Amino acid sequence: GQQLNQSPQSMFIQEGEDVSMNCTSSSIFNTWLWYKQEPGEGPVLLIALYKAGELTSNGRLTAQFGITRKDSFLNISASIPSDVGIYFCAGRPQGGSEKLVFGKGTKLTVNP
Amino acid sequence: NAGVTQTPKFRVLKTGQSMTLLCAQDMNHEYMYWYRQDPGMGLRLIHYSVGEGTTAKGEVPDGYNVSRLKKQNFLLGLESAAPSQTSVYFCASTKTGFSPLHFGNGTRLTVT
Repeated sequence: GQQLNQSPQSMFIQEGEDVSMNCTSSSIFNTWLWYKQEPGEGPVLLIALYKAGELTSNGRLTAQFGITRKDSFLNISASIPSDVGIYFCAGRPQGGSEKLVFGKGTKLTVNP
Repeated sequence: NAGVTQTPKFRVLKTGQSMTLLCAQDMNHEYMYWYRQDPGMGLRLIHYSVGEGTTAKGEVPDGYNVSRLKKQNFLLGLESAAPSQTSVYFCASTKTGFSPLHFGNGTRLTVT
C-alpha cells in the first residue's frame, strides 16, 4: 500500500531554535495534514493543505504542500517547551480515498 | 461539545478474554475510524465506516470486529484477545471523506 516517509524520527533542540520536518511519498496525494500528539492524548490537527504549492501558517507553524504533490514539510519557528510532542504527517492519496495514510511521526524534544 | 469520546481509557485483559471499545461522537459525522498506535509504527487503520450500518476493513483488521448500528457510535470488538493486541487504540471521525479527522484521547489496552 501507499506509504509516507517522515523524517527525522526524532529531534532534540534548544528553546528558541527553528525546526523543520518533512514527509515524502512515491505516489501523489490530494491532501496533506499535519497533526501533533501530546502524551496521553489523541492527535490534534495543526494545519490542513489542499492544493499543490499551498503555504499555510498557524502561529509559529508553517506547512507547505509540495509542487510535485508527493511531499510536504512543517516548520516551527522559535520553539518553546510546549512544542514537545510527536508530529505526524498524513495524506489522502489521489483517487479520493476516504482513508488517510499516516507517517510514523517525528518526536520533538525542546530543552529549556 | 465533547467531540470524540472513547471508553474505557484503560483496560487490562487476560489472553482469550473479550471486550468492546466504545467510540461516541456528537458532531454528526458520517465517517468513523479505528486506529491502533504502537511504538515506531505510527497509526495503523483497523476498520472504518462511511456511514450508519456500514463497515470496511483497514490495514490491520485481523482479530477485530466492528459495528456501526447508530451514526454517533462505532464499536470495536476483540473476541479473543492476544498479547499482540496490546496497544493504544484511537477512534476518529470526520464529516466527509475529504475532511481532516478528529481524534479521541485513546484507550490503552494491555493483554497479558
